[in-house]
Amino acid sequence: GAVVSQHPSWVICKSGTSVKIECRSLDFQATTMFWYRQFPKQSLMLMATSNEGSKATYEQGVEKDKFLINHASLTLSTLTVTSAHPEDSSFYICSARGLAGAWADTQYFGPGTRLTVL
Amino acid sequence: GNSVTQMEGPVTLSEEAFLTINCTYTATGYPSLFWYVQYPGEGLQLLLKATKADDKGSNKGFEATYRKETTSFHLEKGSVQVSDSAVYFCALGIRGYGNKLVFGAGTILRVKS
Repeated sequence: GAVVSQHPSWVICKSGTSVKIECRSLDFQATTMFWYRQFPKQSLMLMATSNEGSKATYEQGVEKDKFLINHASLTLSTLTVTSAHPEDSSFYICSARGLAGAWADTQYFGPGTRLTVL
Repeated sequence: GNSVTQMEGPVTLSEEAFLTINCTYTATGYPSLFWYVQYPGEGLQLLLKATKADDKGSNKGFEATYRKETTSFHLEKGSVQVSDSAVYFCALGIRGYGNKLVFGAGTILRVKS
């Protein structure tokens, strides 16, 4: 149980284009999903927290107009990197937290998406 | 504030050696504590967790005990394998903090055969 998927697993795009990354909880309902960014050999940096049906809460320093987050259902959240530039190249990881019980106290992570902007 | 401090790596061990990765925390509330493991090129996997003082989390031969008096959650394994080579992250989560996780910097473990 507690499987979270991400799609795509890797993507290469040209500078100036937009890229959408999907995060799905496959076997539980996720009231809250989190988006992280990880630079090589570093820890995870929380970008934003999204709750189903409401606007995402962004961490300080994260541009909400550049990193658009939509949490349309209890099993799906999307991150769109708009007008991507090479400095946006990174490993993006989502996590999901469930409604209640064992799922509520723990974040379960997706496998990550490697974004390379040329 | 809330923070997690992990021992710096990389930690290099021979197969079947004993492993300890230190983790200490500061928290304004009563956190849950977690160890996550990240294999090369992959996302994080929950390794074990403890939700209150004196709880012991265990999984795949790894153990960690929630020590409130020393604010620690050290990860141990009696006999490591090459397949345990990965990055290990200690993290705390506090319900009143929007259920966010605060991560340590991560510790690289390399196990040699």
